[in-house]
Amino acid sequence: GQQVMQIPQYQHVQEGEDFTTYCNSSTTLSNIQWYKQRPGGHPVFLIQLVKSGEVKKQKRLTFQFGEAKKNSSLHITATQTTDVGTYFCAGQAGTYKYIFGTGTRLKVLA
Amino acid sequence: DTGVSQDPRHKITKRGQNVTFRCDPISEHNRLYWYRQTLGQGPEFLTYFQNEAQLEKSRLLSDRFSAERPKGSFSTLEIQRTEQGDSAMYLCASSFMESGGWNTEAFFGQGTRLTVV
Repeated sequence: GQQVMQIPQYQHVQEGEDFTTYCNSSTTLSNIQWYKQRPGGHPVFLIQLVKSGEVKKQKRLTFQFGEAKKNSSLHITATQTTDVGTYFCAGQAGTYKYIFGTGTRLKVLA
Repeated sequence: DTGVSQDPRHKITKRGQNVTFRCDPISEHNRLYWYRQTLGQGPEFLTYFQNEAQLEKSRLLSDRFSAERPKGSFSTLEIQRTEQGDSAMYLCASSFMESGGWNTEAFFGQGTRLTVV
């Protein structure tokens, strides 16, 4: 079945450093979504990427969808303590079901 | 509040008991998902409804699990004869899909944390 892996599993950075998490799917995706989950909270939608090679930016966050639509990345520039949480990608291979990645837990040290 | 709501937020039950969770999606959303999340893991897909029709059920879901969405509005997830391995956060999400269009973002509820003792 479809699998979605993320690396790294954990990342500790000093405040102000950059952070990147990578998402890889075993199958070609129709689209991919990114979510952020704070400790004790529920996943909150960040963005959706649909087109091959698509790049979207949200302030300090840059999202990229690979040309083959099997991988994606999230890059945060100059991390802040408010960026703490677990970042999940969720890939859609068919028309409805999203398979979540394993997540990358980000810790930002002040 | 127009978000996805789940009830109860927490449930502690003895092994072997039955439990039922409720999810009220965003009113205009036609798609409803149930996911299960254990500590340190990503949400695992359990089942999905398009309006009132249950279109897919994960093989993770044993026969002890059943979900319904009567009238295409709220949904319930029932677990019969609970086991300790059922302890997890059960998340409900809803989204809207236009005919022939793309699925929009999913909105998650706060989840129901189940502890089986």
